[in-house]
Formats: sequence, C-alpha cells, structure tokens
Amino acid sequence: AQRVTQPEKLLSVFKGAPVELKCNYSYSGSPELFWYVQYSRQRLQLLLRHISRESIKGFTADLNKGETSFHLKKPFAQEEDSAMYYCALKGFCTNAGKSTFGDGTTLTVKP
Amino acid sequence: DGGITQSPKYLFRKEGQNVTLSCEQNLNHDAMYWYRQDPGQGLRLIYYSQIVNDFQKGDIAEGYSVSREKKESFPLTVTSAQKNPTAFYLCASSIGAGGFQPQHFGDGTRLSIL
Repeated sequence: AQRVTQPEKLLSVFKGAPVELKCNYSYSGSPELFWYVQYSRQRLQLLLRHISRESIKGFTADLNKGETSFHLKKPFAQEEDSAMYYCALKGFCTNAGKSTFGDGTTLTVKP
Repeated sequence: DGGITQSPKYLFRKEGQNVTLSCEQNLNHDAMYWYRQDPGQGLRLIYYSQIVNDFQKGDIAEGYSVSREKKESFPLTVTSAQKNPTAFYLCASSIGAGGFQPQHFGDGTRLSIL
C-alpha cells in the first residue's frame, strides 16, 4: 500500500529562519512525489514536483530513496510562505494514476 | 478562463437522500479525481478516472458512485449508504494519469447533513 506521512501538523518559524517540512513515504516502486500548497482563501495548487528538480519560491525538495523522504526546504522563510502544505505521492507503475496525500502541515511564519 | 468548476459551494442533505456533486473542467485533461477532506486530515481519494468511460475506486469508495460519460465532467454521487457524508469534497484533474502529471484542483463543495 502506498502511504505518505507528514509528522508535523503545525510548524512555526520566524521570518528569515530556515524551514523544513518533513515528508516520508511508503511505496513499492519508484514514486512520483509532489508538494502542494494552499494559501489562505486560495485553491490547492502545485508547488513543486520531484521530476522537475526545480526551485519554486525559494523552496526545494530532494527525493531520498534510502530514507524514503521528500522533505521541503527553504533557507529563509518569508511571511507570505504561511500556508498549508501537502506532500503527495502518485503511483507510476504499481497503482498507476492513484494518488495519496499526507495529512498536511500548517506553516506559520512570524514577523 | 480555464479551470475546474465545482458546484454547488455548499450543499445540504437530509438523511437517506442521495446527492450529486458536480465537477466540470475545460482544461482538456484526461484524468479526473474526487477527494474527501475531514478536519485535521489530508485528502483521501474516493474515485479517479484516467479516461472517459473508465474509473477506479480509490481508498474510500464505499457509499459513493461516479460516472465519466464526458471528458469534461466527473460527477460524484454521495449515496444514502455513506454513513458519515459530512465533509469537504475536492475535485481535481490532470493532463493524464501518468505519475509525473500534477493535479489541478477546484474550490471544493462542503456537504452537510441536516
């Protein structure tokens, strides 16, 4: 079974501090992993995905297959980063197309 | 303006009634999804469809039914068999069901039992 775990429901940091949102997964195969973000009064939207290996809004995420993790990091948090963040896994071969989300982490960046 | 439209935004249902939530997309996406979200929990997959006239059960399909007769539409029916239907329902779509395709989400429908 595929599973995504986000161990922190709430995370609070000060502006300018580094931030790391944790995500661990369980999947028998090579997964595709995503981070989605929901800002206040906005739709859930894609932040970044593993395959793109890009930095979006200063955020990066590296897939660590040995630790089965896909943590989201930003070296200097900004107040506008305050939002709900979801880690998600999509099956590639096994259960192709089926997606699984973590429970989400609410990030608050204090001034 | 392209996107996913869910209607209505709020929906009330009496015990024992079926109710259908609408989801329409004009993004020309092949794949569509329905999720349920409860307070403090993440999104749980109810059903997904990779192509017209085909759909698969997700993790919590019991008490729900779907149809995919048109590419742009993926309605979800919450049946009377669903014991705890009060929740927030999100619809999503992606270009294809392939692993690397991200999903685009609607604004959601909040269903409440009267």
